[in-house]
Amino acid sequence: GNSVTQMEGPVTLSEEAFLTINCTYTATGYPSLFWYVQYPGEGLQLLLKATKADDKGSNKGFEATYRKETTSFHLEKGSVQVSDSAVYFCALSDRGSARQLTFGSGTQLTVLP
Amino acid sequence: EAGVAQSPRYKIIEKRQSVAFWCNPISGHATLYWYQQILGQGPKLLIQFQNNGVVDDSQLPKDRFSAERLKGVDSTLKIQPAKLEDSAVYLCASSLGRDSNQPQHFGDGTRLSIL
Repeated sequence: GNSVTQMEGPVTLSEEAFLTINCTYTATGYPSLFWYVQYPGEGLQLLLKATKADDKGSNKGFEATYRKETTSFHLEKGSVQVSDSAVYFCALSDRGSARQLTFGSGTQLTVLP
Repeated sequence: EAGVAQSPRYKIIEKRQSVAFWCNPISGHATLYWYQQILGQGPKLLIQFQNNGVVDDSQLPKDRFSAERLKGVDSTLKIQPAKLEDSAVYLCASSLGRDSNQPQHFGDGTRLSIL
């Protein structure tokens, strides 16, 4: 079955530091890959996505590249802000699972001023 | 556009009681999902609807959980009777269709605490 493995948290960084959150996946087909962000007390918001190998998703300074050879979709940001503090979820969706989302366990990010 | 609406935001009940959650998806979204998110974990799909039909309910504990989407718009999720392990946030999401390129839009969730 499908699965997503995320880097364990929590992660604490100083403002303007470089961020990497690792994500690897297992899927039977050719999945689409997503990063969702969850701010305290809110639902999940789509941050970025990539639908095929070598695609790069980007939004709000965050980037992730779909790497089929390493089955990875690591999230990066060059300079984090306090407002980026949230929980980040990596997820996949493929045709074999009726396009349902399979989520990782989430990584808590705290950015200190 | 208005987002996915859920109510209530919080609910506290005792074990063996019943509870119901309501979801109103984004207008025009044919696909609706209910997820259970236990503290410290990612969301887990409970049930998926396409219009008013069930696409997948394989992970729904059917002895105690039920869900319906009678007119293909609003949906309710019910738990009866509740157990301690049902304490979680219940998230509703909707999308235009089942294409994996169609993003799912999430509501803010209902936080359920079982005493």
